[in-house]
Amino acid sequence: DTEVTQTPKHLVMGMTNKKSLKCEQHMGHRAMYWYKQKAKKPPELMFVYSYEKLSINESVPSRFSPECPNSSLLNLHLHALQPEDSALYLCASSQGGQPGNTIYFGEGSWLTVV
Amino acid sequence: AQSVTQPDIHITVSEGASLELRCNYSYGATPYLFWYVQSPGQGLQLLLKYFSGDTLVQGIKGFEAEFKRSQSSFNLRKPSVHWSDAAEYFCAVAFKAAGNKLTFGGGTRVLVKP
Repeated sequence: DTEVTQTPKHLVMGMTNKKSLKCEQHMGHRAMYWYKQKAKKPPELMFVYSYEKLSINESVPSRFSPECPNSSLLNLHLHALQPEDSALYLCASSQGGQPGNTIYFGEGSWLTVV
Repeated sequence: AQSVTQPDIHITVSEGASLELRCNYSYGATPYLFWYVQSPGQGLQLLLKYFSGDTLVQGIKGFEAEFKRSQSSFNLRKPSVHWSDAAEYFCAVAFKAAGNKLTFGGGTRVLVKP
């Protein structure tokens, strides 16, 4: 079973709101990722967690705050976002953080900032 | 810097016809190569991957891809396209020096005519 589950599927939030995106996998993977995808563009890496430690932060603004409570869960906390942050946020996981480990993606959370 | 290019933004193909999607990468060593497909409003699904060995790789849904080192290419093919193949296709690469960070090409949107 290669499944990454993301909730919610759709989220509309105001610029002063605080919300969170959640991601869960039960494949025993030890690396988890957040990607951001704007319309008609490829996904762009935001964060990588490897063995529950943040290993890559692609210079993402601090209004995005990742959290990895355990090896199965990954959250993305959102605060004071801008309309240009509206996008599809994809969570993904892989067995490890080594190059070539297949990365499995969830279906994404559609975020609209108003 | 490493990069991956998909020269065709859109391709329209008739149902039953063959399909070839191009992907070129720029890097000094052999990268890890992937093809993903994304249906509208969905996450990304892995079609196939190449790390080493036989340069012709078979994937799911009847797709195959061929790695050509001399051309720095990893083109995706399908002999006979079905209407359900209409989607966005992304070539992606990972490089040993960059950990398991995927870099995506710009994507090719495939439209299937009846």
